[in-house]
Amino acid sequence: EAEVAQSPRYKITEKSQAVAFWCDPISGHATLYWYRQILGQGPELLVQFQDESVVDDSQLPKDRFSAERLKGVDSTLKIQPAELGDSAMYLCASSFQTSQGGETQYFGPGTRLLVL
Amino acid sequence: AQSVTQLGSHVSVSEGALVLLRCNYSSSVPPYLFWYVQYPNQGLQLLLKYTSAATLVKGINGFEAEFKKSETSFHLTKPSAHMSDAAEYFCAVSPNNNDMRFGAGTRLTVKP
Repeated sequence: EAEVAQSPRYKITEKSQAVAFWCDPISGHATLYWYRQILGQGPELLVQFQDESVVDDSQLPKDRFSAERLKGVDSTLKIQPAELGDSAMYLCASSFQTSQGGETQYFGPGTRLLVL
Repeated sequence: AQSVTQLGSHVSVSEGALVLLRCNYSSSVPPYLFWYVQYPNQGLQLLLKYTSAATLVKGINGFEAEFKKSETSFHLTKPSAHMSDAAEYFCAVSPNNNDMRFGAGTRLTVKP
């Protein structure tokens, strides 16, 4: 069964350092999402891509976060510089299409970030 | 704006007992509703989703949920809890543009 791949699974960094997370969605899924999940809370959307275009990045802290999906397939989320409050699980999800809504989002295993 | 409220951050049941996890939604349009399960240090796995085809939705692992428009609820149930059901459960609502909003989650503990 096809799965969303993410790497690394765990990342420990010091504040002010740069970190990057990678996501490879299920093949054929045009829509890709990055979520941040703080411990004890539900996921919150950071950015949504449709193919290579950003559909929604209204909740992305653009002063330090950036995301790209250059070829419309895999994606990278970067934080520079990392802050203590960025410690969280970063989840990537993908779905087949977005035109009608209600599409199931399939999640990867996540990257757990700890900023010291 | 769409949102969900999960009543009870922690629920504890005995093995074999009924599981009931509560979710109420707010949506200005007919919603799509989802239940996801998350095991420690893993991503979210879809349990079931409501897309207006039927009010009673059956999912994986013996879970089901009933959409009640009059109560704006979408509670998750399972007749008999198993130890392997211990996890975090998230209710989510999505209008017609795939903007999914998650609840805060309910941690289910199953006692032997």
